[in-house]
Amino acid sequence: QVQLQESGPGLVKPSETLSLTCTVSNGSISSYYWSWIRQPAGKGLEWIGRIYTSGSTNYNPSLKSRVTMSVDTSKNQFSLKLSSVTAADTAVYYCARDALYDSSGYYSRGFDPWGQGTLVTVSS
Amino acid sequence: QSALTQPASVSGSPGQSITISCTGTSSDVGAYNYVSWYQQHPGKAPKLMIYEVSNRPSGVSNRFSGSKSGNTASLTISGLQAEDEADYYCSSYTSSSTLYVFGTGTKVTVL
Repeated sequence: QVQLQESGPGLVKPSETLSLTCTVSNGSISSYYWSWIRQPAGKGLEWIGRIYTSGSTNYNPSLKSRVTMSVDTSKNQFSLKLSSVTAADTAVYYCARDALYDSSGYYSRGFDPWGQGTLVTVSS
Repeated sequence: QSALTQPASVSGSPGQSITISCTGTSSDVGAYNYVSWYQQHPGKAPKLMIYEVSNRPSGVSNRFSGSKSGNTASLTISGLQAEDEADYYCSSYTSSSTLYVFGTGTKVTVL
């Protein structure tokens, strides 16, 4: 079954750029939307944005000015960059599979599966 | 876009049934059948339990069921078991530019 794994630095300095990659294994990245979701310690989930395998993106307006997502289908990977980070961006970051969109239609069946999550701390 | 409203906590004894509500608006829960529910144990990633309001993914116990009425979706756990103790989050597609909104989360305690 499809598995996702986040990777990237666990510590980022304030004002710098957070960069994470999600690697998809045991399945193709094609024809799906892929989302990033974060969760500050002890708090709820926040949807950051998503990318389709064509490179088309949707971002949460609250983060849009600082977010860039990209996809590398040859490596079965997609990535997140969040610029000008502050302590408020400290959270566990998850990647997850989103909707299926192919020639037969659009199917949104929840976020499934999820990566295990990676803690990113913003601190000097 | 505000988070969907869930009760902070719900509790029940083993074997009982509990229901968690998720209240949104006519722009999200009330407008689409793209409501999903997630279970999250401490230190773990969320797990999809229900999608499209009432559908269970393969492998999820039939003790979990979902429904929707108007702007409120609900998750019912029947035959409550100790392993069901976790945080639960709802999520909905929304017509706002946010695209997806999550609920505030509910801590389920098995007494």
